[in-house]
Amino acid sequence: QSVLTQPPSASGSPGQRVAISCSGSSSNIGSYTVKWYRQLPGTAPKLLIYTDNQRPSGVPDRFSGSKSGTSASLVISGLQSEDEADYHCATWDNSLNGPVFGGGTKLTVL
Amino acid sequence: QVQVQQWGAGLLKPSETLSLTCTAYGASFRGYNWKWVRQPPGKGLEWIAEKDHSGTINYNPSLKSRLTISVDTSTKQFSLKLSSVTAADTAVYFCQLSGIADYFDYWGPGTMVTVSS
Repeated sequence: QSVLTQPPSASGSPGQRVAISCSGSSSNIGSYTVKWYRQLPGTAPKLLIYTDNQRPSGVPDRFSGSKSGTSASLVISGLQSEDEADYHCATWDNSLNGPVFGGGTKLTVL
Repeated sequence: QVQVQQWGAGLLKPSETLSLTCTAYGASFRGYNWKWVRQPPGKGLEWIAEKDHSGTINYNPSLKSRLTISVDTSTKQFSLKLSSVTAADTAVYFCQLSGIADYFDYWGPGTMVTVSS
């Protein structure tokens, strides 16, 4: 059972917009910034969004992040087949005194 | 370009000790946060332990009694030992390097550790 709650799956057709939610509490998302990672099968997670809504160099602006209260969202616009991957949210938790993650959302491009 | 590398045994028997080591090329050893994170098959990510930029080591309370974290500054290696493993410890184990700047975030390729009799 992950500390942060994500839907296990999401899907969309090419060109569509998809949103993935991440729900937490006041001890984690409500107090700290959120990161999003993208993970392809058999590989390590790769940073996609940091500080709630910032993109590392090289990440297309089709990917955007937002946060409100104790929830965060990742939005992918103009969906492409290569966006098929698992997406994980992450933040710090002051009860655990360590980072916490969502259970991951598997995105399927129809 | 920062590259995180990790190594260790991939097949263990119940009650044995898991041992993994990590290093990074292209980044200094000090001033960064080093973490171990694991991912059981088909599941989400779980934090194991961290050496933060000040040198403080923090453990996931659920694993603390079985964990030993060591740091060798001379060889720039960050090591994990998890004792008395069971099938529940079967997972891909990742080493993660992060900085004070949120965008500085690099992961090793992962080591699949299977615990089976």
